[in-house]
Amino acid sequence: DAGITQSPRYKITETGRQVTLMCHQTWSHSYMFWYRQDLGHGLRLIYYSAAADITDKGEVPDGYVVSRSKTENFPLTLESATRSQTSVYFCASSDFLAGGPDTQYFGPGTRLTVL
Amino acid sequence: AQKVTQAQTEISVVEKEDVTLDCVYETRDTTYYLFWYKQPPSGELVFLIRRNSFDEQNEISGRYSWNFQKSTSSFNFTITASQVVDSAVYFCALSEAGDDKIIFGKGTRLHILP
Repeated sequence: DAGITQSPRYKITETGRQVTLMCHQTWSHSYMFWYRQDLGHGLRLIYYSAAADITDKGEVPDGYVVSRSKTENFPLTLESATRSQTSVYFCASSDFLAGGPDTQYFGPGTRLTVL
Repeated sequence: AQKVTQAQTEISVVEKEDVTLDCVYETRDTTYYLFWYKQPPSGELVFLIRRNSFDEQNEISGRYSWNFQKSTSSFNFTITASQVVDSAVYFCALSEAGDDKIIFGKGTRLHILP
């Protein structure tokens, strides 16, 4: 199916474990983004990527690692999960316009709980 | 620095009433883009509208309308004859030309009471 998907949709893990959240889009969008959503904070950008092999930090990158070897995939890894990383994670993608990214379209989200 | 303020944290109205969600933004750029997204209770984020800074015409889409006023740096969203299905969190967002990112406001939670 066309669109943007995230897996898993729900994940429970323990403190100190490594967790990888997957994001896949079928639009061949240039840009991909990872956000976390927490009560009282809205959506905060973790990392983003303008193209394959190009990534950059967002507002809250500490404790996260990303890679983008293929245009369609943008995995987010928590190398050693902490309770403060319990959140809902959204992936988004957008096309490129001359002046910058176009509208972002979001995946369904991954609810991560770190015990 | 760019900033988006949604001062209304939570609003409740009775079904069929009109409701306006406020969005005030800050930017130093003359070229920028404004967005509204809807997040219903199911959790997904749904794109509603994108408007560039050179287009100040108001937009209407069914019961939804948007009022863009550069003079007050506002991009307000009105739902006419609200319905229970409009209950959601609504986010306003801003992107400056040449920037790779969108900055989101903290959202307004809208409750439509039957």
